[in-house]
Amino acid sequence: AQSVTQLGSHVSVSEGALVLLRCNYSSSVPPYLFWYVQYPNQGLQLLLKYTTGATLVKGINGFEAEFKKSETSFHLTKPSAHMSDAAEYFCAVSDRVTGGGNKLTFGTGTQLKVEL
Amino acid sequence: EAGVTQFPSHSVIEKGQTVTLRCDPISGHDNLYWYRRVMGKEIKFLLHFVKESKQDESGMPNNRFLAERTGGTYSTLKVQPAELEDSGVYFCASSHLVGTGLNTEAFFGQGTRLTVV
Repeated sequence: AQSVTQLGSHVSVSEGALVLLRCNYSSSVPPYLFWYVQYPNQGLQLLLKYTTGATLVKGINGFEAEFKKSETSFHLTKPSAHMSDAAEYFCAVSDRVTGGGNKLTFGTGTQLKVEL
Repeated sequence: EAGVTQFPSHSVIEKGQTVTLRCDPISGHDNLYWYRRVMGKEIKFLLHFVKESKQDESGMPNNRFLAERTGGTYSTLKVQPAELEDSGVYFCASSHLVGTGLNTEAFFGQGTRLTVV
């Protein structure tokens, strides 16, 4: 069984400040890891994903995440927050062994607020 | 190219009534997924179609939920009879089918917000 824990249901940062959204996962098999973003009144959009290879993954809009197996973490970061980053962010995991593909296990989400 | 489209965007029904949600995937996507988010909780997998066949329906809550994908194109999710705990946002996603391993990126619709009163 897989699970995802996102620490902090709400995170507030100042514009220009570092964004750090935490995600820890539990998986009995090597995982695929994802971050999705949901802007108001829109569907979920893939920010980035880790499958194999380089553990530091770069995504869209300046976001990146690092897969740390020893810490079972996949934290999302952005060096400088912009007002347009205000949205809800979801960390997710899927099972690579069974080829579960897009059968995702999500965290509870983190609402990011960016203040002037 | 049109994205994943879901109808309706909002639905308010009374307990005991029937509601049918529709999802139109991206053209050519054989994989179709339904997910649900109950308020304040995580988004949970409901089921997975490959073309018209149910590949995995392990997440369906109970037999009041019926999903179909006739012809392998659009899909419907019917709730009959609806209960209060069925309220939430229902998401649909689609992706290309590949032979083995990780499938291509899943594209999500905007969701249908269902409120049962």
